[in-house]
Amino acid sequence: QQPVQSPQAVILREGEDAVINCSSSKALYSVHWYRQKHGEAPVFLMILLKGGEQKGHDKISASFNEKKQQSSLYLTASQLSYSGTYFCGTETGSGNTPLVFGKGTRLSVIA
Amino acid sequence: GAGVSQSPRYKVTKRGQDVTLRCDPISSHATLYWYQQALGQGPEFLTYFNYEAQPDKSGLPSDRFSAERPEGSISTLTIQRTEQRDSAMYRCASSLGTSGHQETQYFGPGTRLLVL
Repeated sequence: QQPVQSPQAVILREGEDAVINCSSSKALYSVHWYRQKHGEAPVFLMILLKGGEQKGHDKISASFNEKKQQSSLYLTASQLSYSGTYFCGTETGSGNTPLVFGKGTRLSVIA
Repeated sequence: GAGVSQSPRYKVTKRGQDVTLRCDPISSHATLYWYQQALGQGPEFLTYFNYEAQPDKSGLPSDRFSAERPEGSISTLTIQRTEQRDSAMYRCASSLGTSGHQETQYFGPGTRLLVL
């Protein structure tokens, strides 16, 4: 079951914040976040494992709400380099299932 | 190697031909994944290997698709009797351990396949 990402696209000015959501209809074991720039390979950002944790990575952080079966990616004080498409990949059930990626959220940061 | 490499980067073929795509993972990475990525979409799982074992090939769209990793390093994905709907970007990824799908996956540049 493919996770649903929202919004589909967002445009930010440098310095603004954004939140990208990833929701699943199934119980989540882990959530992976990747960023893909146009014409390039997806690049790993972070993994959140079952346990409702929050992780940070420079000015990019994420939370994982097991009960709500969702994860959110927070980008603060956005930079031009944050532009790209963000994908969440979910592992469901008790784990050891292949990642299912969402359709992505296209983020454009303008000066 | 420094990163995951794939070859060829582009492949144009005629419908009905067989194609073989190659993936060279990061050296010492135990796990290797194959994904199909349509334009504007996220990667879609095809199959994966732990060394040379192939625990899951549930994502392969049909029996025209097969993959192997005979020596636990380089892998190939073969599509027989290609069809136009096979046109897509095929990406390979690798991860260090074998502890399931919770590990960081490092993606390769992909092979863009166009079936005419």
